[in-house]
Formats: sequence, structure tokens, C-alpha cells
Amino acid sequence: EPEVTQTPSHQVTQMGQEVILRCVPISNHLYFYWYRQILGQKVEFLVSFYNNEISEKSEIFDDQFSVERPDGSNFTLKIRSTKLEDSAMYFCASETSKGPETQYFGPGTRLLVL
Amino acid sequence: RKEVEQDPGPFNVPEGATVAFNCTYSNSASQSFFWYRQDCRKEPKLLMSVYSSGNEDGRFTAQLNRASQYISLLIRDSKLSDSATYLCVVNPISGGYNKLIFGAGTRLAVHP
Repeated sequence: EPEVTQTPSHQVTQMGQEVILRCVPISNHLYFYWYRQILGQKVEFLVSFYNNEISEKSEIFDDQFSVERPDGSNFTLKIRSTKLEDSAMYFCASETSKGPETQYFGPGTRLLVL
Repeated sequence: RKEVEQDPGPFNVPEGATVAFNCTYSNSASQSFFWYRQDCRKEPKLLMSVYSSGNEDGRFTAQLNRASQYISLLIRDSKLSDSATYLCVVNPISGGYNKLIFGAGTRLAVHP
């Protein structure tokens, strides 16, 4: 069964450093998402991406965040200058054109900012 | 008011018990509704979609009341493997395609 994959599974970084989280969506999917979950809190929407551009972003997704799909397969989330409060699990999700029931989540990258 | 609100639990039940979770949502124009399951430190996984007519999948029954903006999940004959956090999820109308709005989850612990 096809699945969304994410690398790395864990990342530890120093405050102020840049991190890039990588995702490989399911191959025939068209819509891509990033969510995050701070430990003990709910899953929160960050950004949606379609046709090589952002379709919506949340208030969390400020100028320190960016996404791109550089090569038609990988989908990346970059945090330019990490803050302590960026520590969270980051989930990538991808979806077909058939609606939200087809949105599948990757296993997540656990980011710890020290 | 929170977009999606759930009782955090935990619900501690014995095997074989029936347990019900409730959820309310604030956006009356919301389009789609789901229950997801999340195991500790894992990704959310779709358990079932929720329709106005109600739907059942084995031991799981979900109901939607649009007038009350209320969603429920009933688990019958609980198994140890049902222990997890159950997330109520809503897809609101937006320009962002199918962004999902999650409740904080209700934790279920099934004991022998």
C-alpha cells in the first residue's frame, strides 16, 4: 500500500538554525499539506499546497516558514530561524482529487529546538 | 469558542464495554466530518467519515447532527487494541482546499 514518507524521523537543532523537513507524498496525489502537533496539544494546520503554490496558510505559518516541491516528488517545509516554540511533531499529508477522505498522513518528524 | 471541541477524557473502560465520544464544532458551514485515531507519538489515521445519515463500520458507529453541530462516535465491545486517542476532525469551507481542523482528542484506555 502506498504511503507518505517523511525524513528525518527526529531532528534536534539549536535555536536560530534553519531546518528542512522532507516529505515524499503518495505518487498520484495532487494536494499537499503540513500540520504540526506540539506535545500534548492538538494537530494544527500549517499550509496547503497545490499546483506548485500555496493555496492557504494558517497564522502559524509566518515568514519564517516556507514550502516547496523542488523536483515533483519531494515536498519540503523549511523553518528559517527556529525558535524554542517550534518544537513539535510535523506531519506531512497528501491527498487525491477525490476529497478529504483520501488525505493520508506521513509518520511525522519530531523536531526539538534547544 | 473552539473550532472543534471534545471531552479530553481519559475514558477508562473494561474490555467489552460500550463507550461514546462527543464532539461539537463551531463553523455551521463545515462540509465534511471525520473521526481519526491517533496512537501515542504516531500520525493520525482515518477511522471513519461521518454522514448525516449516520454510518457504521463493524463495532464503530458515527452520527452527525448538523442542526446541533454535534458529532458522536460509539464503540461497542471495546478491545484492548482500541486504546488510543480519538480525534474529531472537521473540514471547513475555505479556499484552502481540504485543510482539516482537529479537536484536541479524547483518550480511551481499555483495560482487561
